[in-house]
Amino acid sequence: DAKTTQPPSMDCAEGRAANLPCNHSTISGNEYVYWYRQIHSQGPQYIIHGLKNNETNEMASLIITEDRKSSTLILPHATLRDTAVYYCIVRVAGNAGNMLTFGGGTRLMVKP
Amino acid sequence: EAEVAQSPRYKITEKSQAVAFWCDPISGHATLYWYRQILGQGPELLVQFQDESVVDDSQLPKDRFSAERLKGVDSTLKIQPAELGDSAMYLCASSADGMNYGYTFGSGTRLTVV
Repeated sequence: DAKTTQPPSMDCAEGRAANLPCNHSTISGNEYVYWYRQIHSQGPQYIIHGLKNNETNEMASLIITEDRKSSTLILPHATLRDTAVYYCIVRVAGNAGNMLTFGGGTRLMVKP
Repeated sequence: EAEVAQSPRYKITEKSQAVAFWCDPISGHATLYWYRQILGQGPELLVQFQDESVVDDSQLPKDRFSAERLKGVDSTLKIQPAELGDSAMYLCASSADGMNYGYTFGSGTRLTVV
């Protein structure tokens, strides 16, 4: 699996959009970009994933650059409960045997 | 919503003692993973099962760690003897082919070795 690079930490004001960047310059054509988050003392939680088109769900939006070398996770209206570590992972989808390899992630602190 | 069950939630054990963790994946998920997460770091894979077979245990310290999934459903991870450096969160996850959103994780077992 390709490696990803994320800033170790970010702050965001409550109610504002949180934009979390991720670089994955060596991503392969069949690898998806996945985002998970981990709230303190819980297991990682799936947020969203995408191949090349932008994606949106009830939790977040994922913007992938045209060359697919980077992406941004957007939490449109961050709340205090969004304080967590966010992991960006690239992985071939569909086959359960393709493991998720976690990096250090970005620690997002949402402040009042 | 289906969940991955793990127990115990917390475990304190003395150095050199044996300890075991249990995981019950989502029904029908053939693939099961055990991860270890040291405080302040991302989870790292210990072992991967496909049904009852081990697919990858290259990162499992086999001198003291063992994992089994006898009937291809629930799984047990054991450490014997426990060392101070084993203090960590042990996470279980399950997945199924065609499940494009990746894995579902349990809440983990927090192990403290004293």
